[in-house]
Amino acid sequence: DGGITQSPKYLFRKEGQNVTLSCEQNLNHDAMYWYRQDPGQGLRLIYYSQIVNDFQKGDIAEGYSVSREKKESFPLTVTSAQKNPTAFYLCASSTTGGYEKLFFGSGTQLSVL
Amino acid sequence: QKEVEQNSGPLSVPEGAIASLNCTYSDRGSQSFFWYRQYSGKSPELIMFIYSNGDKEDGRFTAQLNKASQYVSLLIRDSQPSDSATYLCAVPPGSARQLTFGSGTQLTVLP
Repeated sequence: DGGITQSPKYLFRKEGQNVTLSCEQNLNHDAMYWYRQDPGQGLRLIYYSQIVNDFQKGDIAEGYSVSREKKESFPLTVTSAQKNPTAFYLCASSTTGGYEKLFFGSGTQLSVL
Repeated sequence: QKEVEQNSGPLSVPEGAIASLNCTYSDRGSQSFFWYRQYSGKSPELIMFIYSNGDKEDGRFTAQLNKASQYVSLLIRDSQPSDSATYLCAVPPGSARQLTFGSGTQLTVLP
């Protein structure tokens, strides 16, 4: 079955540590996105990529980094510069012309120890 | 002013009633509007979208758009307990090829 796989489901970060969230899709979608969701809030865009080897900052990119070396994969690194990383992180993908119709992974809950 | 605003709720309706969820947006250039449903602890899923003024119906769901008032709503008829979720309004601002989400309205349908 086609879909988006995020791992791990839960992740704990120690202070000063970088952590990487995995996102893999087999939908053959060109575009991929990372969103952050805080309790009681909507989704905020961190980074997005329309094509391999290219990505753009979203509204809250500071303290995060991404790479897009393969069409199927769009990992997100939460760096030590992100001082308030506790949140639910959602990866999504879409066709190039279908950016409104997002398909989401099951999410990663990141917490700080 | 937030780009996309929703009443956070919570909104409670009895089973079988009509649930009305509202969303306002600030960018008059926005042309398309989307409703996502998110069950607790799960990821959002697209349930409705509307491009033109007026109503669009899909089963028990009706999306209503009024561009002059910059207002979009989602009506759920014959509400069921399984409709209990957070409903997110999403709008691409102007010509941007990405979505801006509202904070969501939490709906509870009481049996």
